[in-house]
Amino acid sequence: DAKTTQPTSMDCAEGRAANLPCNHSTISGNEYVYWYRQIHSQGPQYIIHGLKNNETNEMASLIITEDRKSSTLILPHATLRDTAVYYCIVSLMEYGNKLVFGAGTILRVKS
Amino acid sequence: KAGVTQTPRYLIKTRGQQVTLSCSPISGHRSVSWYQQTPGQGLQFLFEYFSETQRNKGNFPGRFSGRQFSNSRSEMNVSTLELGDSALYLCASSLIAPLAGNTGELFFGEGSRLTVL
Repeated sequence: DAKTTQPTSMDCAEGRAANLPCNHSTISGNEYVYWYRQIHSQGPQYIIHGLKNNETNEMASLIITEDRKSSTLILPHATLRDTAVYYCIVSLMEYGNKLVFGAGTILRVKS
Repeated sequence: KAGVTQTPRYLIKTRGQQVTLSCSPISGHRSVSWYQQTPGQGLQFLFEYFSETQRNKGNFPGRFSGRQFSNSRSEMNVSTLELGDSALYLCASSLIAPLAGNTGELFFGEGSRLTVL
């Protein structure tokens, strides 16, 4: 079973920041938080990952709470092309190839 | 560089037949994993191969099998197809974590969509 809980769906206005929450209250000390997204009819795409510290890359920012029991993925300026299913996954990096996907959050970016 | 390539992209089979799907990983990636995606069950891990050896296996019946070749290309086979095997089969490749600079990121292909009639 997935170790994460995400809202089923969210809407976001184009150009605004999209904040996608994820609860992972049973995360262990050496598990990473990964975010992937899947645009319709395509394979999942890696977005970002983190262990303890907040992380930022060209796609998004990842904010992890100090107790590591939850995190938020931030898309700073959402576009229509960001409409997708977003998956939050916790995993040991050495077993990073065995990802347990939950249902994810359907993000709809609207103009 | 070229991404993960899966063939065929679409195929239709009938119950009882078998199917073989192919995956060519990104050059230099030695780990290949397979996932099944269905509307009801979502994305589920099938198995992962590294250096021609199966390292991890998901909870699927023995009808689902795979292998990896010395050039890291991988195939998966499903025998005695059932209607419930209709799905999008996704292959992903990666470097082996936790090498320095490796994010553990999986690179997915576009998938092979199997329809069983």
